Amino acid sequence: GESVGLHLPTLSVQEGDNSIINCAYSNSASDYFIWYKQESGKGPQFIIDIRSNMDKRQGQRVTVLLNKTVKHLSLQIAATQPGDSAVYFCAEPAGGTSYGKLTFGQGTILTVHP
Amino acid sequence: DAGVIQSPRHEVTEMGQEVTLRCKPISGHNSLFWYRQTMMRGLELLIYFNNNVPIDDSGMPEDRFSAKMPNASFSTLKIQPSEPRDSAVYFCASSTLAGTDTQYFGPGTRLTVL
Repeated sequence: GESVGLHLPTLSVQEGDNSIINCAYSNSASDYFIWYKQESGKGPQFIIDIRSNMDKRQGQRVTVLLNKTVKHLSLQIAATQPGDSAVYFCAEPAGGTSYGKLTFGQGTILTVHP
Repeated sequence: DAGVIQSPRHEVTEMGQEVTLRCKPISGHNSLFWYRQTMMRGLELLIYFNNNVPIDDSGMPEDRFSAKMPNASFSTLKIQPSEPRDSAVYFCASSTLAGTDTQYFGPGTRLTVL
C-alpha cells in the first residue's frame, strides 16, 4: 500500500496573538518534560523544561503548564511573532526517569501570519 | 560556546556507497545521541552513548548502520551500503548526566541517496 507521512497538528495565528500548543504524554511516571522548537532546516532547539513537581514554569514570552492528572502539557507563547513559526515538540524521558533517552511527540506546526 | 557540530551539512551519494556522518558534541557533555528525521516517521533515536560507551542501539535500523565514539569529542555514524530509503536528516545531540535530560541538537546532515 501507499505510505503516508505524519499528519502533524497545525496552529495558525496572527502576529501579536497568544499561542497555545498542546501535548499529551504517555507515562505517568515521567518526572521531567521539555519543549523544543524546530525551525525549517535546523535542528530542534531547547525552549523550556519543567519538572513533575511543578505545575507551571515561565520563561521569556513562554509558559509551560503541566497537568499530571490528565497527563497534559501545554506551551503558551505570548505576543506571537513571525519568528516563532516552527514545529514544536514536547519530550519526556523514555521509561519515565531514565537519563538520556527521550521520547518525542510528533510535533505541532505553528504558523504566524504578519 | 560552540554548539554541537555536524559534518557534512549535506551529502548526496549513490546507492551502494558508504556514507560517514560526523559529530562533535558540546565540550563537557557526557551523552551523545544520533537521530534520524523523516516526514514518514518523524524524529527517531538511533543510538546513544554515555561516556563514549553505546548504551542503547535498539533504534539502529539494521546491520548496515554502525556508530562509534572513539573519544569524548567525536562520533561517527556510518551507513554501508547506503540505500535510497536511508535518505533523511540525521541529527546528533549531546547532553550532560547532571540531572536533566535536556539534549542540545546539532544542525543536522541532510543525506540523499540516489
